[in-house]
Amino acid sequence: AQTVTQSQPEMSVQEAETVTLSCTYDTSESDYYLFWYKQPPSRQMILVIRQEAYKQQNATENRFSVNFQKAAKSFSLKISDSQLGDAAMYFCAYRGNSNYQLIWGAGTKLIIKP
Amino acid sequence: DTGVSQDPRHKITKRGQNVTFRCDPISEHNRLYWYRQTLGQGPEFLTYFQNEAQLEKSRLLSDRFSAERPKGSFSTLEIQRTEQGDSAMYLCASSLGAELRETQYFGPGTRLLVL
Repeated sequence: AQTVTQSQPEMSVQEAETVTLSCTYDTSESDYYLFWYKQPPSRQMILVIRQEAYKQQNATENRFSVNFQKAAKSFSLKISDSQLGDAAMYFCAYRGNSNYQLIWGAGTKLIIKP
Repeated sequence: DTGVSQDPRHKITKRGQNVTFRCDPISEHNRLYWYRQTLGQGPEFLTYFQNEAQLEKSRLLSDRFSAERPKGSFSTLEIQRTEQGDSAMYLCASSLGAELRETQYFGPGTRLLVL
């Protein structure tokens, strides 16, 4: 069965600096999809960025980028120029190529220090 | 596009009571998902609909849980004979398209507390 691991329960970063959140996963599939979602306090889950496993190029969305290492089964999220509004729980999620359910990590709480 | 909505946002009930939650997906989204999220954890998949057909069910979805999506629009999740272990946030998501890469859009969730 596929699993997703986020080893950092909490991270903090100074406003305007860069932070990297870690995610590793385990799968025997060759085609799959990886996602980072953000869940602000008392607010809904929002997609931050998505990566298709067949793509070698790392996905980028404005200040958010990923470092996708397929062989190492690693999918880290880098947030540049951190802003106060980035404070949230960040979840890494996996979807295989045979079904539609997302498999989630336990999340990392990101604290932004002003 | 008003987003995914869920009702109620909060529910407090006594053990043994039945509860029903509603999810309205983004209009024209043909896929709808239910997840459960306990405090400090990531969501866990419960079930998935494509239009009105329930295509996947997690083993987490015991006989006390039932979900429907009549007419392929809104969905309801019912929990019968609630237990304290059912206390969690119940999340609904919807998506459009025929590809696995499609994005799931989430609602605000229904927080259930079973006393």
